[in-house]
Amino acid sequence: DAGVTQSPTHLIKTRGQHVTLRCSPISGHKSVSWYQQVLGQGPQFIFQYYEKEERGRGNFPDRFSARQFPNYSSELNVNALLLGDSALYLCASSLTGFSTEAFFGQGTRLTVV
Amino acid sequence: GQQLNQSPQSMFIQEGEDVSMNCTSSSIFNTWLWYKQDPGEGPVLLIALYKAGELTSNGRLTAQFGITRKDSFLNISASIPSDVGIYFCAGLTRGTDKLIFGTGTRLQVFP
Repeated sequence: DAGVTQSPTHLIKTRGQHVTLRCSPISGHKSVSWYQQVLGQGPQFIFQYYEKEERGRGNFPDRFSARQFPNYSSELNVNALLLGDSALYLCASSLTGFSTEAFFGQGTRLTVV
Repeated sequence: GQQLNQSPQSMFIQEGEDVSMNCTSSSIFNTWLWYKQDPGEGPVLLIALYKAGELTSNGRLTAQFGITRKDSFLNISASIPSDVGIYFCAGLTRGTDKLIFGTGTRLQVFP
C-alpha cells in the first residue's frame, strides 16, 4: 500500500512568489494535517482538514491557506513568500482525524531565496 | 509557536548502551507521543501514551507518561546503529487534534 505522498519533494522559490504543495493521503484516510518544520526544530501545526472541512488551524498568518478535495487529497498554498518560510512541509493523514493515528509523508523541502 | 522542551539536545553513545531522554511542558497534556525522524523522512510514531503514570514498551523502547501530565520519558535499551535519528515527543490536549512537538533529541550511535 502506498503511504502518504507529497509533491514536489524539493522546491526553490523567490521572495514574494506563491507556492502550492500537494498531498495524497493513504487510501481510505479522510483527514489531512499540514505541519511546518524549520531546520533544527520540531514540526509546527498549520492546518487540519477532515471530510473536506477545516478542523483546526495553527498560529500562522493568512498567507497560508489550504483545502481538501473530494478525493481527500489536499493542497497547501503560501502567498507572498518570505525567507522565513523556508522549511520542510509535512503532510499527515489519518482515517478518523485523530492525530494519534496519523502517518506522515516524507515532506516537501521549500527553499525561499 | 509553542514547543515542548526536550533534553538532552543531542547524545553520542556507543552501541549497546542504554539511552534516556525526556520531554517537559508548562501545560498539561492528555496524550503523549514519541516519534523518530530519519534524514529526509517524516516522523514515524514509536509509542503513544494515554494515561498519567502509564508505562508502555515497543521492543527495546519504553516510554512513560509522567504523573503530573506535564512530562514524558523515553528509554532505549541496548542501542544499535539503526537507532540513529532525531527523537521527538509530542503532546495532545483534550478537545484538540493539534500535535505540539518538542525540540527534538538527536541520537548518534557509534560502533
